[in-house]
Amino acid sequence: QEKVQQSPESLIVPEGAMSSLNCTFSNSASQSIWWYQQHPGKGPEALISIFSNGNKKEGRLTVYLNRASLHVSLHIRDSQPSDSAVYLCAVSSYGSSGNKLIFGIGTLLSVKP
Amino acid sequence: GGIITQTPKFLIGQEGQKLTLKCQQNFNHDTMYWYRQDSGKGLRLIYYSITENDLQKGDLSEGYDASREKKSSFSLTVTSAQKNEMAVFLCASSMGGNSDYTFGSGTRLLVI
Repeated sequence: QEKVQQSPESLIVPEGAMSSLNCTFSNSASQSIWWYQQHPGKGPEALISIFSNGNKKEGRLTVYLNRASLHVSLHIRDSQPSDSAVYLCAVSSYGSSGNKLIFGIGTLLSVKP
Repeated sequence: GGIITQTPKFLIGQEGQKLTLKCQQNFNHDTMYWYRQDSGKGLRLIYYSITENDLQKGDLSEGYDASREKKSSFSLTVTSAQKNEMAVFLCASSMGGNSDYTFGSGTRLLVI
């Protein structure tokens, strides 16, 4: 059973700073790793995914994956108050019954003006 | 663009009651999911379906039934609501494989 753990539980950063969120998973053979953003009262929205070791950059977001250490991180450059939300790490588990995502508990990010 | 709609948005039930939550999507996605979100416990998979009339149990399926009679809809039934239960039920759909999920806004359940 895949396990996904996120840290920190909550993070407060000033506007314009870099926000760094961490996620560890238990199965190095997992498929893609996803980051989702969830605002209060809304469903999660997919932000970015990564499959191969290394990094991937999209706009202000950068993701780093190290399968050997079972670790993935999300970095948000120039954080804005609108980035304040819960960030969920999810690991894709693919089997004979299709694909499913296993989610972590999330990191609550607050960006202060 | 497509949309995924969950009804109702809020549901208040009584202990022991059978409650049904509905989800509709117009993306023509093959796979649909039901997750439960509790404070401090993240999202836990209840049921998913890879095609019409298919049902697969997740880690939290006990106490729930699901139905996928059409490709566009996926319903979830709480077979016997537990007193003081409070959670958000999230429906999602995807093309399958390593595709991302699109989530609905959720149904908020309170059992009194």
